[in-house]
Amino acid sequence: GAVVSQHPSRVICKSGTSVKIECRSLDFQATTMFWYRQFPKQSLMLMATSNEGSKATYEQGVEKDKFLINHASLTLSTLTVTSAHPEDSSFYICSATLGGPGTEAFFGQGTRLTVV
Amino acid sequence: GENVEQHPSTLSVQEGDSAVIKCTYSDSASNYFPWYKQELGKGPQLIIDIRSNVGEKKDQRIAVTLNKTAKHFSLHITETQPEDSAVYFCAASSGQAGTALIFGKGTTLSVSS
Repeated sequence: GAVVSQHPSRVICKSGTSVKIECRSLDFQATTMFWYRQFPKQSLMLMATSNEGSKATYEQGVEKDKFLINHASLTLSTLTVTSAHPEDSSFYICSATLGGPGTEAFFGQGTRLTVV
Repeated sequence: GENVEQHPSTLSVQEGDSAVIKCTYSDSASNYFPWYKQELGKGPQLIIDIRSNVGEKKDQRIAVTLNKTAKHFSLHITETQPEDSAVYFCAASSGQAGTALIFGKGTTLSVSS
């Protein structure tokens, strides 16, 4: 199947700093990618839909100025957590679809963010 | 928007037994229903999916059934093995390009030998 690569897999940062997470579709082009957040022992919560060449669509309750999403190419979307605080510590996962009706979503391996 | 309910939240079975996880969805427009397995610290892996024009799909020890009228779908794992232990998520979407998956809360399956 298609491969989605997410980097880094783990990151520890100091409170107040910003962290960038990359999501790449390695062997296909993805006009749309999705960013999810997962707290321990909880489900994946959709944060935003990332559209190549346009602004991301954020879910209700997700601060767009806090979680900056850029989808500059058909194979790369980035999520930047700005001015990170301990409550931003979480597991962030991206996914991409091949496109077309009823399409399978492929997930990255996730990024464990710890803000100290 | 779509809302997906998943039960049970935890499930413990003996090796060789069957395991069943059930999900319901709210949006009648949803027509794509995948199941994912997630191991600790990793991203979800698709294990099986079903589309609304099909009532049942099977892949070796794993099967999924769909009842569109009742808006529920189920995952069936037969002859469970310890390596089946993981968190399983159901999801639903309209299946159109650019539509995100909405996930259930997950089921932690434990298979003891």
